[in-house]
Amino acid sequence: NAGVTQTPKFRILKIGQSMTLQCTQDMNHNYMYWYRQDPGMGLKLIYYSVGAGITDKGEVPNGYNVSRSTTEDFPLRLELAAPSQTSVYFCASSYPTGTGSVDTQYFGPGTRLTVL
Amino acid sequence: AQKITQTQPGMFVQEKEAVTLDCTYDTSDPSYGLFWYKQPSSGEMIFLIYQGSYDQQNATEGRYSLNFQKARKSANLVISASQLGDSAMYFCAMSYTGGFKTIFGAGTRLFVKA
Repeated sequence: NAGVTQTPKFRILKIGQSMTLQCTQDMNHNYMYWYRQDPGMGLKLIYYSVGAGITDKGEVPNGYNVSRSTTEDFPLRLELAAPSQTSVYFCASSYPTGTGSVDTQYFGPGTRLTVL
Repeated sequence: AQKITQTQPGMFVQEKEAVTLDCTYDTSDPSYGLFWYKQPSSGEMIFLIYQGSYDQQNATEGRYSLNFQKARKSANLVISASQLGDSAMYFCAMSYTGGFKTIFGAGTRLFVKA
């Protein structure tokens, strides 16, 4: 049971380069999320999606873009990488359990990105 | 504004003893959920326990229990019979607005001593 998978595990970028972080889930979850975790800090929401074709900004969306063409995949695109984007990136997914309830999110293993 | 506060940057506990990790929150949303996650040194985020704002009883999952005091806006995690493998970073989180938005506290690093 794979759950949420992320690639790559590690990446070093030069300032100004671009890259895409991949996230795939096999649990048929409608909701997917991207977070970043800076050293010694909690997670901050970058973007989220409630279904294929529907995405919205989180707390820290600047410098990132997302797309959701399928239920399974939710890639995160970094354009013009900057040192401030050095962080660990987590993808998560959840399944809506109904009105009034809040869904548990399940996380991928993370991608450690360094921008030099 | 929604906020999660974890006031204990680090804690020590003796193996086999119980420990309480503090978490307070602030929200005006009547429907919300409170979560605890464990992050070991390997880096993954492991879901531990969930408490809904309308749940009458405190959540329990094995050795983990959530001490939910709604009026005080606190959601402390209690770990009973600590084990060496419990040494990790612990994050309190709150979801609101139908679960689309989740905010995390800064975390508490727990050290379990043999």
